[in-house]
Amino acid sequence: QVQLVESGGGVVQPGRSLRLSCAASGFSFSSYVMHWVRQAPGKGLEWVAVISPNGDNKYFADSLKGHFTISRDNSRNALYLQMNSLRDEDTAVYYCAAGYDRLEYWGQGTLVTVSS
Amino acid sequence: SPEVTQDPAVSVALGQTVRITCQGDSLKTYYATWYQQKPGQAPVLVLYGKNYRPSGIPDRFSGSSSGDTASLTITGAQAEDEADYYCNSRDSSADRLVFGGGTKLTVL
Repeated sequence: QVQLVESGGGVVQPGRSLRLSCAASGFSFSSYVMHWVRQAPGKGLEWVAVISPNGDNKYFADSLKGHFTISRDNSRNALYLQMNSLRDEDTAVYYCAAGYDRLEYWGQGTLVTVSS
Repeated sequence: SPEVTQDPAVSVALGQTVRITCQGDSLKTYYATWYQQKPGQAPVLVLYGKNYRPSGIPDRFSGSSSGDTASLTITGAQAEDEADYYCNSRDSSADRLVFGGGTKLTVL
């Protein structure tokens, strides 16, 4: 069955970096557009970034440009989110999701807490 | 300002019909997609395109669109439908997605 499993979350100090990973299985990962979506505690969903199937095209939420980078390794069926200069407001559950316009598959999320 | 907006909360009596709406200029061009999220769980896709349901989503969920407003309708709401519902769409650039703020549905 389809599985997306995020990892790499944890507690990190403001200004530090963190890299999240998403391991995919059960579907043709290399054919899918992949996204990161986050949800701050008690808040709504916020779209973060998208990457095309071959990794050539990447787009970010305007507020996050230059702050996060997205990449993928189709040979490993893996998606990544590199988060730099983390701020308190980056505290959230980070989900990876698969699909073009519709996000068909979602992981269970990984919690990132930015705190000194 | 958010590109798509939703009412924060809606309630419905058990077995009755409820409509959850999503409004934004991008919806004049792009269909809304709808997700259901229950506490402590990841979102689940419930409706997409003109009015399509993924496998496993009950047919009491349906969608419609008019102008800049998209709607998710639940006909005969069940207790298990109580959840947060989010719409999303492409934004004005067409390269990015945007989510509405979510609607908390209470089934009375």
